[in-house]
Amino acid sequence: AQSVTQPDIHITVSEGASLELRCNYSYGATPYLFWYVQSPGQGLQLLLKYFSGDTLVQGIKGFEAEFKRSQSSFNLRKPSVHWSDAAEYFCAVGVKSGNQFYFGTGTSLTVIP
Amino acid sequence: EPEVTQTPSHQVTQMGQEVILRCVPISNHLYFYWYRQILGQKVEFLVSFYNNEISEKSEIFDDQFSVERPDGSNFTLKIRSTKLEDSAMYFCASSDVGGGQLEQFFGPGTRLTVL
Repeated sequence: AQSVTQPDIHITVSEGASLELRCNYSYGATPYLFWYVQSPGQGLQLLLKYFSGDTLVQGIKGFEAEFKRSQSSFNLRKPSVHWSDAAEYFCAVGVKSGNQFYFGTGTSLTVIP
Repeated sequence: EPEVTQTPSHQVTQMGQEVILRCVPISNHLYFYWYRQILGQKVEFLVSFYNNEISEKSEIFDDQFSVERPDGSNFTLKIRSTKLEDSAMYFCASSDVGGGQLEQFFGPGTRLTVL
């Protein structure tokens, strides 16, 4: 069965520091991978996605993620965090055989001055 | 920029009551979805809807739940007789085509509290 794990429930980083949010998935074939962000009172906004090809994908707001098949991971990174990046981040997997997404539990990011 | 909207933002109800959560998907989208997130848990898929019928549903989506597209713009989730464990954030989403490889656009959610 498909599943997504985000091991870090909450992360705190200083503004300007680098960030990495972890995501591991379980799926028998090549998954479709997504990172969404949710700011308070807002919907889930797509940051980036991976379907095939280059394993390093660039997204909006300076985020990138790398697909590592050998580790079943799709970690989200940003070289320098801004205070406005404080939000909840969700990793999700889509599968070829269906329409639904499988989500992780989310990682809450706090940015301190 | 087009967006998915949901009403109400917060709904409080008594156990056993019926609730209807409303969503307006993006206007040219054809696939519609409901997900829920119980506090502290994963966002879970409930149901997908296409061409006026359910295309896929999870084991969570039992007889207590139903979905409807009553007109050309709204997409609703009805819970017939709410239980305490139905308390959660409910997200509506839409996409222009189906398939797990395509972006789903999410609304801000409705927080349902069952007392």
